[in-house]
Amino acid sequence: DAGITQSPRHKVTETGTPVTLRCHQTENHRYMYWYRQDPGHGLRLIHYSYGVKDTDKGEVSDGYSVSRSKTEDFLLTLESATSSQTSVYFCAIRPGQGAVDGYTFGSGTRLTVV
Amino acid sequence: AQSVTQLDSHVSVSEGTPVLLRCNYSSSYSPSLFWYVQHPNKGLQLLLKYTSAATLVKGINGFEAEFKKSETSFHLTKPSAHMSDAAEYFCAGSNDYKLSFGAGTTVTVRA
Repeated sequence: DAGITQSPRHKVTETGTPVTLRCHQTENHRYMYWYRQDPGHGLRLIHYSYGVKDTDKGEVSDGYSVSRSKTEDFLLTLESATSSQTSVYFCAIRPGQGAVDGYTFGSGTRLTVV
Repeated sequence: AQSVTQLDSHVSVSEGTPVLLRCNYSSSYSPSLFWYVQHPNKGLQLLLKYTSAATLVKGINGFEAEFKKSETSFHLTKPSAHMSDAAEYFCAGSNDYKLSFGAGTTVTVRA
């Protein structure tokens, strides 16, 4: 989507290896989010950020860490990938302060852990 | 925290007939509610959002949703389905700085 890009788009990795996914925005928005999408579960929040170096956990944060050293970049790291982390990962950004604003999603990263 | 429940995992309709996708929410106070659509191997696109300005919300591609506080529902409708409406639809809600999703409804459109 315009203003938000994810990389890589696809990745296959081995169990036990570290993996980092990148989300980059050009909108200068304060809030950024990482979700994972799995069949039957919709999208579930992993971590989110409300500013540079300000992050918090979502509902499925175990096994994941994040970092945000610049406004435009939000990184998601799987310290030691497991097969249960095979999923499609979406980054989202949200303009404004209030909950009423819509969220814009990236195109997703399909991660396969073998 | 806001939570939403989509009542149907799969809906099948004939082209030209109405579509109804059901979503209930639970919240201790007035939420913001959204419907997103995801076509195969694509990202999520916002269809419409409710932000308390009006209970009937019109979105893109002929979709609309009605917020009913008494029923804690936010159902999505379209009068006449098109083949291009075949996709997965997600209801989502937010009353803090996080967006929570339902499990999704897959829509199949029969010719």
